[in-house]
Amino acid sequence: QVQLVQSGVDMKKPGASVKVSCQASGYTFTDYFLHWVRQAPGQGLEWMGRINPKTGGTRLAQKFQGRLRLTRDMSSATVYMGLSSLKSDDTAVYYCARDFYAAGSNSPWGDWGQGTLVIVSS
Amino acid sequence: SYVLTQPPFVSVAPGKTARISCGGNNLGTYSVQWYQQKPGQAPVLVVGDDTNRPSGIPDRFSGSFSGNTATLTINRVEAGDEADYYCQVWVDTSDHPGVFGGGTKLTVL
Repeated sequence: QVQLVQSGVDMKKPGASVKVSCQASGYTFTDYFLHWVRQAPGQGLEWMGRINPKTGGTRLAQKFQGRLRLTRDMSSATVYMGLSSLKSDDTAVYYCARDFYAAGSNSPWGDWGQGTLVIVSS
Repeated sequence: SYVLTQPPFVSVAPGKTARISCGGNNLGTYSVQWYQQKPGQAPVLVVGDDTNRPSGIPDRFSGSFSGNTATLTINRVEAGDEADYYCQVWVDTSDHPGVFGGGTKLTVL
């Protein structure tokens, strides 16, 4: 079965960078786009960006341009979300989510990682 | 950026029908997805592409569309349906293509 396993809780100081991993299994890694969605405490869901694991190509929400970097390691079927210049309002749970349809766009997100809490505090 | 509007709260008695709306400009242009999120858990897709229910989702959950409003309907509501529900679309021409509604807290009375 499809599994997306994320790295554990991380605590960073303002101005630092964080890198969260999402290891995929149970399907062909290169066939499905992977997205990153975050949720600040008590708030709603916010889409951040997506990566095509086959090509490494990314599409990022404009508000994160210049701060967000999505990468993948095909040898370990892992995608990474790197966010720099962290601020206190980046404190959130970060989720990876897989497209429901292979190689599609406008797909629902049918499988999600368990989430990674990132705390930004001095 | 594109905006999806949901009511913040919906309450329903057990066994009754809950309807959660999601509105947006020219919403019919897009496919609407619905996610259920329980406290401390990741979201779960309950309806995709406006009306399709993934395997494992009870048939009490259904999606519909009229005009510029999508609706998630939950029939015979159970206590376990209490959760936050989010609608979502992909607006490919936007600089922020992945769009979520603000979420609706469903309370089972």
